[in-house]
Amino acid sequence: GENVEQHPSTLSVQEGDSAVIKCTYSDSASNYFPWYKQELGKGPQLIIDIRSNVGEKKDQRIAVTLNKTAKHFSLHITETQPEDSAVYFCAASKSASGTYKYIFGTGTRLKVLA
Amino acid sequence: DVKVTQSSRYLVKRTGEKVFLECVQDMDHENMFWYRQDPGLGLRLIYFSYDVKMKEKGDIPEGYSVSREKKERFSLILESASTNQTSMYLCASSVENQPQHFGDGTRLSIL
Repeated sequence: GENVEQHPSTLSVQEGDSAVIKCTYSDSASNYFPWYKQELGKGPQLIIDIRSNVGEKKDQRIAVTLNKTAKHFSLHITETQPEDSAVYFCAASKSASGTYKYIFGTGTRLKVLA
Repeated sequence: DVKVTQSSRYLVKRTGEKVFLECVQDMDHENMFWYRQDPGLGLRLIYFSYDVKMKEKGDIPEGYSVSREKKERFSLILESASTNQTSMYLCASSVENQPQHFGDGTRLSIL
């Protein structure tokens, strides 16, 4: 069935370093890839997304890259700060709105050490 | 900003009880979703709805039902709660071609 693998499950970095989280999806028809950040006690919040017609998207310290051929996409956070500490989820879908399901990865707990 | 509100942050119920989890969104979104979140399993879709009175099964619908009588409200029902339904439940909503927005979740414990 449809599947999204996410690695690593936990990641610790020093403040100011970069963090990279990788996801692999199985359904080649997927064309929308959101990333969500979940802080303690809160619901997931969308931080960045990418559609399959582009290979990279940036928003300040956050970037997402997509390799459709390899069915990989990655989240890159530069100059990490303590407030970046959270659980991050990737997802893949054939639709942004969810008229086709979002298939979520299992999450990455990022710790930024001061 | 989109606001998705889940009626309870924490809920404790007993085995066999009928449990209602409520979700309300204020942006006139057509689509609403219920997920459960468990450690190491990510978010799994229970049910979703594209319109009032419409519902579709997700990946893990067993033991659950839903109700959508009004566009802004989507209820998740545990017909007879069991301990394996102890979990974090997340509601989300969306509109065509826009991403899903989540509520802050209900942590449900079944004793």
